Amino acid sequence: NAGVTQTPKFRVLKTGQSMTLLCAQDMNHEYMYWYRQDPGMGLRLIHYSVGEGTTAKGEVPDGYNVSRLKKQNFLLGLESAAPSQTSVYFCASSMTSPPGELFFGEGSRLTVL
Amino acid sequence: GQQVMQIPQYQHVQEGEDFTTYCNSSTTLSNIQWYKQRPGGHPVFLIQLVKSGEVKKQKRLTFQFGEAKKNSSLHITATQTTDVGTYFCAGPRITGGGNKLTFGTGTQLKVEL
Repeated sequence: NAGVTQTPKFRVLKTGQSMTLLCAQDMNHEYMYWYRQDPGMGLRLIHYSVGEGTTAKGEVPDGYNVSRLKKQNFLLGLESAAPSQTSVYFCASSMTSPPGELFFGEGSRLTVL
Repeated sequence: GQQVMQIPQYQHVQEGEDFTTYCNSSTTLSNIQWYKQRPGGHPVFLIQLVKSGEVKKQKRLTFQFGEAKKNSSLHITATQTTDVGTYFCAGPRITGGGNKLTFGTGTQLKVEL
């Protein structure tokens, strides 16, 4: 029962480097989301997708790009990492919209030096 | 934009004491969800409330949705150490952006023996 799987789980980057976080779900969910979590600020939506080939901006999209080429995968990219992007990133998926139950991955802890 | 606030931000209780967290939205919500995140873990869905004034119980947890559908509460009776974690409420926008969930800032619960 994999559910939602995120890779990598930990990563340290230098300012200006790029990287991609991968989210994979095996529940055939249409909707997928990327959140970031910072102390005292809860979960903030970065980007989301309502189906294969679609993406849309959330609350804090600047500095990030996403792609949903396959229904089961949702990629989050940082083109030029900044220290302000140090955070824990969570991917989630849901079957219905407005979002029903969100299923979260275990998170990816990113540190930008 | 839509804001979802939770109070208190932190709560320390002795085991056996009750605990309540309150969630307030700046806009009307079509439904509200509650999630629990254990320390170092990922958010896990607890429940969804849909109807105005709805009350649902899960063992020692009681969830309420306000009559105006702009506020909600989670009450835990006789807390246990297993209740430790951060509790988040979340709601979709009722007008536009209905595919997205806005999370509250969370209430961190610590239970002391």
